[in-house]
Amino acid sequence: DQQVKQNSPSLSVQEGRISILNCDYTNSMFDYFLWYKKYPAEGPTFLISISSIKDKNEDGRFTVFLNKSAKHLSLHIVPSQPGDSAVYFCAASELDTDKLIFGTGTRLQVFP
Amino acid sequence: KAGVTQTPRYLIKTRGQQVTLSCSPISGHRSVSWYQQTPGQGLQFLFEYFSETQRNKGNFPGRFSGRQFSNSRSEMNVSTLELGDSALYLCASSPAGGPADTQYFGPGTRLTVL
Repeated sequence: DQQVKQNSPSLSVQEGRISILNCDYTNSMFDYFLWYKKYPAEGPTFLISISSIKDKNEDGRFTVFLNKSAKHLSLHIVPSQPGDSAVYFCAASELDTDKLIFGTGTRLQVFP
Repeated sequence: KAGVTQTPRYLIKTRGQQVTLSCSPISGHRSVSWYQQTPGQGLQFLFEYFSETQRNKGNFPGRFSGRQFSNSRSEMNVSTLELGDSALYLCASSPAGGPADTQYFGPGTRLTVL
């Protein structure tokens, strides 16, 4: 049973435009959500997170939105750059645990 | 500060064999978690160790085991390997098992089972 789902395996966006990556979850006990970026042959790198008490968190070009009622979060990248091309994983955890439940990832390609 | 290191980076084994993977966390980090990444399943949590004790466990068979040493280094063992165990095994360390965004991942060990 996949508790965290990323239904789009890939996304292609033109440089300078907005990239929107989506993630859905089923476990209402999740209270912390994260996005990780992964390049080939490297481990995932933390990107941005959001607590369940917020609905938005911003860090530079990256913004994460959380809709708890819909059990949905999204990552917006504006403007997209070619260096953003990577696989993006969303992850969720319950309170005070290091156990991360990951989605299956979305491969983002930003083309010039 | 050195990052999380994993050895070996690549490993080829045959069915029925066993394998041990090693993870050295960032200096000062006491929590080590292990994940399995496969193309169809993404990253799946295996277990977490903190101060030499297993604190959390994922839904994997008992063939998957681990341990943590007093210096926080961790090893993961898979016995009686199956073809489906072929995957990228990632470990992540965090200072004290606090907020999830403090996990730092290593580059992974690519295990191929023939």
